[in-house]
This record gives sequence, C-alpha cells and structure tokens, in this order.
Amino acid sequence: DVLMTQTPVSLPVSLGGQVSISCRSSQSLVHSDGNTYLHWYLQKPGQSPQLLIYRVSNRFSGVPDRFSGSGSGTDFTLKISRVEPEDLGVYYCLQSTHFPLTFGSGTKLEIK
Amino acid sequence: EVQLQQSGPELRRPGSSVKLSCKASGYSITDYLMHWVKHRPEHGLEWIGWIDPEDGETKYAQKFQSKATLTADTSSNTAYMQLSSLTSEDTATYFCASTGVFAYWGQGTLVTVSS
Repeated sequence: DVLMTQTPVSLPVSLGGQVSISCRSSQSLVHSDGNTYLHWYLQKPGQSPQLLIYRVSNRFSGVPDRFSGSGSGTDFTLKISRVEPEDLGVYYCLQSTHFPLTFGSGTKLEIK
Repeated sequence: EVQLQQSGPELRRPGSSVKLSCKASGYSITDYLMHWVKHRPEHGLEWIGWIDPEDGETKYAQKFQSKATLTADTSSNTAYMQLSSLTSEDTATYFCASTGVFAYWGQGTLVTVSS
C-alpha cells in the first residue's frame, strides 16, 4: 500500500497567518494516464470531510483562493493564507492513483 | 443540489451485522462511483472500497474484503454497505462519498459495537 506521510500532526496558527501542510507518498502518484491523483480535504469538528483541492492544484467549487495546492511525484503541499476561524479542523491528503486508496494521517489546524 | 443522506446511528452486539444506507439526490448514482470510508478519531480516515452502481462492480481494500459488502439499488438511487461479524474495532463513523475525487460526502453514520 502507498504510505502517505503527512506533517505536521498539529499546526498552531494565528488568525490571518499563513501555513503549509506537507504530504509525502511512498511512491510516485503519477498515474499511467499522466494525471496525479492527490487530493486535499478539511474535516471540521463534527462534520463530514469536504473537498478542497483535487488533482494536486485544482480548487473545488466554492473553495476560497486562500487555499492552494502544489507538488509533483511524491511531494505535495497545501498552503492556506490569511487563515480564518472557519479553516480550523483536520486536513487530510488522499491518493487515488494506486489501489488501495490511502489517506494521510491528518494535520490538525488550531488557534495559537 | 447533490446530497447524500445516510441512515441513522446503530448500536449492535459483537458478532452481529449491520446494513447502512446512503441515498443520493440531485444526481443519478449510476453517474459516479460510490466510495465508503471509515473514520475513527484516533485512526483517521480509511478507505473501505467502492461500488459502480451502474453495473454493480465492487473493489475493496484487502483489510475490508471479508468485513464489508457494497451494493446499490438504482431504482431508489441508494447505496448500501453491510458490515458483518462486528467487533469493537468496527465502532466508527462510516461515510459514503461520491465521484472519483470524493466531491460529495454523506453526513456519516455512527456504528457502535458493544455488549
């Protein structure tokens, strides 16, 4: 199985600040079709996960441009600028290039 | 508007089984794969498997191969997951999620396994 190593585990942030979350895979996430199936989700307390970024860098409908994704191969980053209270929760990366699909272990964004 | 409405919380005894439902509205379930995901706060998210409601094809993570059975009823636009031989390790919230990038999620069903 592809291991998704997500860091940090916990991320204290000041409102209005900027943060980065890293997700590294144990093997390349480039699919044979040329696409890279790495996605990012936010799970707010007591809610379902919600899609933020799909295929590395594409913001889902309604997601603010404060969220951006980048990376390639095995190394990926989610950046959040001008952090707002609604951004707090646990962030997960997911790879769907290889079977079985695997999630990162999560990064908890909390107020400093 | 796409919505996935999951069935309510379940309490089961060890060794029993449970069947969860996920009713889609705003689109036909045959349009996309339906995934199921397990969530335990101390373990994060785990992918269980997917079903293609159009032809019933399923694919499971090996860990859940003998635990979960995915089905779909196109007439009611509903997907189902049955969990068998329940143990305390199956106590979790289970989500259904639709499209290849998990764009839409149900609200989750809490399954508690306790004697």
